[in-house]
Amino acid sequence: GAGVSQSPRYKVAKRGQDVALRCDPISGHVSLFWYQQALGQGPEFLTYFQNEAQLDKSGLPSDRFFAERPEGSVSTLKIQRTQQEDSAVYLCASTLDHYNEQFFGPGTRLTVL
Amino acid sequence: GQQVMQIPQYQHVQEGEDFTTYCNSSTTLSNIQWYKQRPGGHPVFLIQLVKSGEVKKQKRLTFQFGEAKKNSSLHITATQTTDVGTYFCAGGDGANSKLTFGKGITLSVRP
Repeated sequence: GAGVSQSPRYKVAKRGQDVALRCDPISGHVSLFWYQQALGQGPEFLTYFQNEAQLDKSGLPSDRFFAERPEGSVSTLKIQRTQQEDSAVYLCASTLDHYNEQFFGPGTRLTVL
Repeated sequence: GQQVMQIPQYQHVQEGEDFTTYCNSSTTLSNIQWYKQRPGGHPVFLIQLVKSGEVKKQKRLTFQFGEAKKNSSLHITATQTTDVGTYFCAGGDGANSKLTFGKGITLSVRP
């Protein structure tokens, strides 16, 4: 595709449910980032992959958050036992190389009731 | 950890006025990037600055990286309604690929 795509665009979950958010980066982009953006805030780093290797997961808020990129392309961010404070927009970004501009997807807006 | 600050969070200008906003880091940066996010949209890359004192221009936008590589500025000449949005700076520390974003400044332009 022409850009980064994310699905679903919107997700409503009941507290305690597990959710999985998908990111399709731009073809050929080596690096992939996940961010969490709360209303009125800047994107906050969650985790980073270079190909299939997760090189930094220091931003994941708890062990309920898990991300993978098994084949070095599509990535999934999984949140187990969702809590209300997990409500946010989850943004995925990819770059050709880790030092370059990041291309963001449209995000997934997660609402936990 | 690294902090990137943008103050204020909101600014309102009359169309045609100039606008300047600043970004300050608690640590020396290896590079700084600026992004623009329109309401309901996602961040879109504007520019990257790498060298101390670097200045880059994009039409009516001028970006500068401070000599100490701890601050940056964005200046818009003669604002237009199309400039509306939230402008984020994001700093890289060079140790890894992680970017630390500021909270952004939301610009509104009165026609």
